[in-house]
Amino acid sequence: DVKVTQSSRYLVKRTGEKVFLECVQDMDHENMFWYRQDPGLGLRLIYFSYDVKMKEKGDIPEGYSVSREKKERFSLILESASTNQTSMYLCASSPSYNPQGLETQYFGPGTRLLVL
Amino acid sequence: KQEVTQIPAALSVPEGENLVLNCSFTDSAIYNLQWFRQDPGKGLTSLLLIQSSQREQTSGRLNASLDKSSGRSTLYIAASQPGDSATYLCAVRRNAGNMLTFGGGTRLMVKP
Repeated sequence: DVKVTQSSRYLVKRTGEKVFLECVQDMDHENMFWYRQDPGLGLRLIYFSYDVKMKEKGDIPEGYSVSREKKERFSLILESASTNQTSMYLCASSPSYNPQGLETQYFGPGTRLLVL
Repeated sequence: KQEVTQIPAALSVPEGENLVLNCSFTDSAIYNLQWFRQDPGKGLTSLLLIQSSQREQTSGRLNASLDKSSGRSTLYIAASQPGDSATYLCAVRRNAGNMLTFGGGTRLMVKP
């Protein structure tokens, strides 16, 4: 079974703090993703990575950065947390492209972040 | 820009009913479409994946259809059970990089 783990289930931080969210997958997947989920808005892609040290901006990258130093680990960084970054953060991984397009994303349990 | 919409946002039904969840998308140039389930406070679990060349996929009591030309997909749940209570999200895959665009989800409650 694919396992995607996230470092914290719940996190409370203060405005201006630097926040690290970590994600680890154990299936040697090339692709990793960070989403945020807000009520009624579904999941929105923040950043994704298709290889070690490679990253691409998603739909809402402002205020965030990422790091992928090892294939199994993908970190999301909030340089200076703000209250509008209070949200549920979900990490996902998937194998690289195959011609049938059948690969799915496997999700972690999420980190609920509250910024005060 | 691809936009994905799910209607209704919430649904409450008595146990045993058959039900349909709807998903629409604005750009028909998709690789595939997936339906996910999310239980409260949890991550997402993939239920069904329909390739762009397919019309439907079935798994147990679940059947998902895809009409690319009209930009619509439906998830049919037969003989609903309280254990089906969850949020259901549809997602459209945009490109070879496996980037997904999600709808806002339908929160389903099945009452015993």
